[in-house]
Order: sequence, then C-alpha cells, then structure tokens
Amino acid sequence: SQQGEEDPQALSIQEGENATMNCSYKTSINNLQWYRQNSGRGLVHLILIRSNEREKHSGRLRVTLDTSKKSSSLLITASRAADTASYFCATDLTGTALIFGKGTTLSVSS
Amino acid sequence: EAGVVQSPRYKIIEKKQPVAFWCNPISGHNTLYWYLQNLGQGPELLIRYENEEAVDDSQLPKDRFSAERLKGVDSTLKIQPAELGDSAVYLCASSLAGHQETQYFGPGTRLLVL
Repeated sequence: SQQGEEDPQALSIQEGENATMNCSYKTSINNLQWYRQNSGRGLVHLILIRSNEREKHSGRLRVTLDTSKKSSSLLITASRAADTASYFCATDLTGTALIFGKGTTLSVSS
Repeated sequence: EAGVVQSPRYKIIEKKQPVAFWCNPISGHNTLYWYLQNLGQGPELLIRYENEEAVDDSQLPKDRFSAERLKGVDSTLKIQPAELGDSAVYLCASSLAGHQETQYFGPGTRLLVL
C-alpha cells in the first residue's frame, strides 16, 4: 500500500525555471523524506523534515511540511538539466518502515 | 566512504529457476533493507534487518523469497522458484540505526524472468 502520493506524476520545464512537486499522505508521521532517482540508478536522499518542522532548505532545494493538511512540497529553484530524475516522497509512520510514493518524473530541457 | 554495493547489476533467468542477490551495506550501518521496485512505482519494502534480526518481513512472500544477514553485515536475498511477475529492480539500502534515519541505496539489481 502507498501512503504518499506525489503530484504531478510528470513535470516538464526549461532550464532556469523552478520546479514544484507535492506529496500528500494519509496518516500521522514522524518525518517525511524526499529522494531522487536518476534513470537506472538507486535512490539518493535529498532532505528529511521532521513532523515538528515547517520548512527546510538545502542548496537549491526547499521543502515545506504542513501536518494539518498532511502534505509536503519540494521546490527546486533554477533547475538544471542534471535535475532530470524521478523524485519520491517517503513517509515514516510510527513503528513501521518508510513508505514511498509513486514519484514525480521531472524533465528539464536546455 | 564506499556506498552500498549490490551484485549482480543485471540478471536474466528463466521462470522456475532460482536467483540470489547480494548486498554489502555501508560500514557501520546496523539497519539493512531490501526493496522491490516495479517500473513506474516507488520502492516497496520486502524486509528490514536490525543487525542480524529480521524485524519487519511482513511484505516478503515467504513461499518463494528468503533472506539472510549473517554476522549482521552483508545480506543475500533469494527467490526460488522465480516467476514472471518477479521481474523488477531489487534495491538494497542501509541506515545508521533505525528506519527513521536517512537511507542510503545501492544501484539495484535488475531482474528479468523469461
């Protein structure tokens, strides 16, 4: 079963534009993580945001968490072709393992 | 620091044959995970180890899948016999301690069952 659902499923933008993808989940969480997966590769951790945090930054990445709406967003500013990948949110439910969504496929063209 | 190592990277077998995947986690990581990833989907947990102990294997199809993590370091995931529907990418990940922390993934093994 999948806890997190990313939206949109696919996103195509030009280099230099910002990319925003969203994640909604169903039940209370301890933390939420975002991962990136390049084609044919394993997942790479981007950011972990805990349930008592509202916003975190890491370089060109900005993640927000709204626990009242059970949603999170990942913003990539000034996108580059190298940002082309699939992005997954993963939620940590109490006492269980991370549950990944289906992902958003981002395509950045130059 | 070496990352999570998996082998083989690719495997093609005929249905009903056995297959095994190997994973070596990052040194010092107590928690090891095996995930299954189907095309266009996110990873789904098969089994999680805390040291040598399998603490979450509720999603592991135990009639044909087995796993072990001897000495709490590297791990092997086996399928016997393989079915057509087992074609997928098998990912191994590790974390320092516990599932709430950052997980580090290996490149995966892409399995094709013919």
